[in-house]
Amino acid sequence: EVQLLESGGGFVQPGGSLRVSCAASGFTFSNYAMSWVRQAPGKGPEWVGSITGRGESTYYADSVKGRFTISRDNSKNTLYLQMNSLRVEDTAVYYCAKDIMMDYWGQGTLVTGS
Amino acid sequence: DIQMTQSPSSLSASVGDRVTITCRASQGIRNYLAWFQQKPGKAPKSLIYAASSLQSGVPSKFSGSGSGTDFTLTISSLQPDDSATYYCQQYNSYPLTFGGGTKVEIK
Repeated sequence: EVQLLESGGGFVQPGGSLRVSCAASGFTFSNYAMSWVRQAPGKGPEWVGSITGRGESTYYADSVKGRFTISRDNSKNTLYLQMNSLRVEDTAVYYCAKDIMMDYWGQGTLVTGS
Repeated sequence: DIQMTQSPSSLSASVGDRVTITCRASQGIRNYLAWFQQKPGKAPKSLIYAASSLQSGVPSKFSGSGSGTDFTLTISSLQPDDSATYYCQQYNSYPLTFGGGTKVEIK
């Protein structure tokens, strides 16, 4: 059974930094791209970025480019999202999702910046 | 960027009704389209990928069709548990983009 479990969310002052993690199980992690998606309160999902299976390429939304970094440790089956220079508008539930077609999602972790 | 436009933004239908939601891409995306169902306080759940392929475990009352720029999600017989917001998403090219959502309510 595929499972994705995010952790590391919390309250951050504007301008601050936070790293959230996503622990994956139930599939061969290194074979799949992974994505981060966020959802602000009352809004639809917004793609944040994706990383290829071996981690050689990353892609970002313009709204986070230069501030957020996606990485992965395939030996630990874990995906990361490093968020720097956080803004109030980054407040959202952050989800990790398997692949770019997002066939499985985690339960999400809330990041609050205000 | 590819814009995804869903219609309607909301609908109300009766139990047993056939419901169709439309998603239009601003440029061709071949069949690289997914559909999701989201209930309040929960993560989105994948229903359909590659425009018409049903995710494992998803009831066959959900179906998807289309290619290029125009796509549809159909619920063949609406049930109370189908009350949710539905989103389309293109994964043909970066940035990946979602439609604005369709809120489905039961009359």
